[in-house]
Amino acid sequence: AQKITQTQPGMFVQEKEAVTLDCTYDTSDQSYGLFWYKQPSSGEMIFLIYQGSYDEQNATEGRYSLNFQKARKSANLVISASQLGDSAMYFCAMREGGYNKLIFGAGTRLAVHP
Amino acid sequence: DAGVIQSPRHEVTEMGQEVTLRCKPISGHDYLFWYRQTMMRGLELLIYFNNNVPIDDSGMPEDRFSAKMPNASFSTLKIQPSEPRDSAVYFCASSFTSNQPQHFGDGTRLSIL
Repeated sequence: AQKITQTQPGMFVQEKEAVTLDCTYDTSDQSYGLFWYKQPSSGEMIFLIYQGSYDEQNATEGRYSLNFQKARKSANLVISASQLGDSAMYFCAMREGGYNKLIFGAGTRLAVHP
Repeated sequence: DAGVIQSPRHEVTEMGQEVTLRCKPISGHDYLFWYRQTMMRGLELLIYFNNNVPIDDSGMPEDRFSAKMPNASFSTLKIQPSEPRDSAVYFCASSFTSNQPQHFGDGTRLSIL
């Protein structure tokens, strides 16, 4: 079974609107971490936001917030007030309890239109 | 602060040649990771080190791949001999602790002809 599922291969959003990128995960561990990374067309991987499984509050970093629904095993990324520079691939990743490696989803390509 | 530094950014070489990719982690980070990104398989962990010691190399595809970390500020990933199917983007990442986010270098785009 897929550990990380990103069901939206591509998304479009109008500049200045908010957009939600979906991520569901599968783990039986109680302790885990969820991450979002951005990969622009230039290729680098940029860390955006982190949510720990025991964190009660949803993580926020500037225009990025993580909508964490533990019972549903979802960790959706919300980008508010989209900008043209937000056009990129977005990857959801999970680190399970005793393991240090990140397991990545297939990614969602976001295009922001003016 | 300097981020993770990888070199070279691009490498094109012929099949059968030895390839060496280099990585300098962020100073003070105890964990170093090597990932490979391909269209078919996405991002996969190859190997990671903790305090310069290899901890998990289960993602290394074959014996042709080897990785070393001789000190806290330098790691190499070698492929010998290289094959066309090794063509990919190879990322190095580092983190302060196992719970902290991993910060990635810009990657090395490797093409084996």
